[in-house]
Amino acid sequence: EPEVTQTPSHQVTQMGQEVILRCVPISNHLYFYWYRQILGQKVEFLVSFYNNEISEKSEIFDDQFSVERPDGSNFTLKIRSTKLEDSAMYFCASRGLAGQGEQFFGPGTRLTVL
Amino acid sequence: GENVGLHLPTLSVQEGDNSIINCAYSNSASDYFIWYKQESGKGPQFIIDIRSNMDKRQGQRVTVLLNKTVKHLSLQIAATQPGDSAVYFCAERRGAQKLVFGQGTRLTINP
Repeated sequence: EPEVTQTPSHQVTQMGQEVILRCVPISNHLYFYWYRQILGQKVEFLVSFYNNEISEKSEIFDDQFSVERPDGSNFTLKIRSTKLEDSAMYFCASRGLAGQGEQFFGPGTRLTVL
Repeated sequence: GENVGLHLPTLSVQEGDNSIINCAYSNSASDYFIWYKQESGKGPQFIIDIRSNMDKRQGQRVTVLLNKTVKHLSLQIAATQPGDSAVYFCAERRGAQKLVFGQGTRLTINP
C-alpha cells in the first residue's frame, strides 16, 4: 500500500540553525501539507501546497518557514532560524483527487531545538 | 464503554466491548470530517470520514455519527481489540484544504 515517507525521523539542531525536513508524498497525489504537533498537544495545520504554490497557511507559518517541491517526488519544509518553540513532531500529508478529500499522513519527523 | 462527556482525555474499555469516542466541532460551515488514530510515535492514520450531507457512515468495525444540530461527531468502535489502543482525533475541514484537529481522546483497552 502506498504511503507517505519522511526523513529524518529525528532531527536535533541548535537554536538559530536552519533545518530542512523532507517528505515523499504518495506518488499520484497532488495536494501536500505540513502539520506539526507539540508534545502532548493536538495536531496543528501549517501549510497546504498545490500546483507548485502555497494555497493556504496558518499564522504559525511565518517568514521563517518555507516549502518547496524541488522535483517530482519530494516536498520539503525549511525553517530558516530555528527557535526553541519549534521543537515538535512535523507531519507531512498528501491527498489525491480521488476519494472525498482524506489526507494521508507520514510517520513524522521529531525536531528537537536545543 | 462510553465517555459521558465531551472533551474527556481518556477512555478505558474492556476488550470486546464497544467504544464510543465523542468530539465537538466549532465551525458550522465545516463540510467534511475525519477520524484519525494515532499510535505512539506514529503519524495520524485515517480511519473513516463523513461529509456534512450525511449523518452516519459505517466502515469495518467503525461507525461515525454526525449531528450537525449540536455540532457533534462520534466514533463507535465495535468489539474493541488491544490494537485499538491509541489516541483518536477528530478533524474538520475548514475551507478548501485545512484540517483542524480536536484535542484527542486516549483509548485504553483492558484485557
